[in-house]
Amino acid sequence: GAGVSQSPSNKVTEKGKDVELRCDPISGHTALYWYRQSLGQGLEFLIYFQGNSAPDKSGLPSDRFSAERTGGSVSTLTIQRTQQEDSAVYLCASSLQAGGFNADTQYFGPGTRLTVL
Amino acid sequence: KQEVTQIPAALSVPEGENLVLNCSFTDSAIYNLQWFRQDPGKGLTSLLLIQSSQREQTSGRLNASLDKSSGRSTLYIAASQPGDSATYLCAATGANSKLTFGKGITLSVRP
Repeated sequence: GAGVSQSPSNKVTEKGKDVELRCDPISGHTALYWYRQSLGQGLEFLIYFQGNSAPDKSGLPSDRFSAERTGGSVSTLTIQRTQQEDSAVYLCASSLQAGGFNADTQYFGPGTRLTVL
Repeated sequence: KQEVTQIPAALSVPEGENLVLNCSFTDSAIYNLQWFRQDPGKGLTSLLLIQSSQREQTSGRLNASLDKSSGRSTLYIAASQPGDSATYLCAATGANSKLTFGKGITLSVRP
């Protein structure tokens, strides 16, 4: 079946512009996660959703970052007033459910490569 | 704060060799530990997930073990092949399903 998809695959933007990244999880997966992968930093957890709610937003790097999920499906990660240090690959993952001992395998999308000039 | 370490950062072995990739974590209060594979320019592919109550998981030529008390996990790859060349990441799942990743081990299997 279809896996996690992300769009766009590549995004080049100018410093100060806003960008919106999209994630389509696997159908039926209630949990959705956003990560950032940048050179020298490894993979960094940003935020996760259980349904449409985000219990833990502590991983978002600054208040320029926000994310939402509607209808328990598609999620968007928005970065306002982009800075050069925002350049990274943004990965999305989904799983059947989140939480504690029932946490399931996370399936990752191919990522969006963001370059801020 | 959970910290996950993978050493060495890179490994090169000849084809056919059995090898072990190491992962250590500082906080033993994890729900599970996962091993992923990442090919250049691609996303992550889940290889094995070990629940905190388990000791090991096997899939084909791969075997992952977990020792929570010592904060260690290993990924064993039997009879390595050039197609196994990739970056292997381990991640510990903690509260709120947050995955904390190591920086990965880049494996090169020489024909």
